[in-house]
Amino acid sequence: QKEVEQNSGPLSVPEGAIASLNCTYSDRGSQSFFWYRQYSGKSPELIMSIYSNGDKEDGRFTAQLNKASQYVSLLIRDSQPSDSATYLCAVKMDYGGSQGNLIFGKGTKLSVKP
Amino acid sequence: EAGVTQFPSHSVIEKGQTVTLRCDPISGHDNLYWYRRVMGKEIKFLLHFVKESKQDESGMPNNRFLAERTGGTYSTLKVQPAELEDSGVYFCASSPRTREETQYFGPGTRLLVL
Repeated sequence: QKEVEQNSGPLSVPEGAIASLNCTYSDRGSQSFFWYRQYSGKSPELIMSIYSNGDKEDGRFTAQLNKASQYVSLLIRDSQPSDSATYLCAVKMDYGGSQGNLIFGKGTKLSVKP
Repeated sequence: EAGVTQFPSHSVIEKGQTVTLRCDPISGHDNLYWYRRVMGKEIKFLLHFVKESKQDESGMPNNRFLAERTGGTYSTLKVQPAELEDSGVYFCASSPRTREETQYFGPGTRLLVL
């Protein structure tokens, strides 16, 4: 069974700090990785995708991928109260009979305190 | 551009009744996915359409669930008869047939079976 594991939190950081969210996955053959943000009662919103080992930066967000360790992380710099949400790590099935669907972790709840 | 829409936003039904959920994907998106989040669990894949064809329905829990996508536009997910364990949030997502295939999620339908 292919799994994605996240620390459920809650993770609490002060405003302006760096929030670090982590995710591990079980399927070594996975190629596509995503971070979604979900506000309470709302739909998941894609904030980062990453496909290659290393770092990918987009504004205050940096995704990091280490395929050898089967580890994906998301760093949020200069955290703002508006970043308070649940962050979902997702891995896309890219082969076999399940092409295209996402496997999600349970999500990490982030709280940024003013 | 309109996003993915879902109807109804909430549904409360009694065990044994039938419920039909509707999803309208982003115009031009050939891929349409259904996911479900049961309370306390991660979002889980149900099935994947490419246009009107079922590409993968390996996540459908049992034969009480029937999904259709007539004409490759909107999709319906029917639960008949509903059971208590069917309660949860049902998300629909769509993506274009490009290499990146970012999935855009709808707001979800919150189903409560009493």
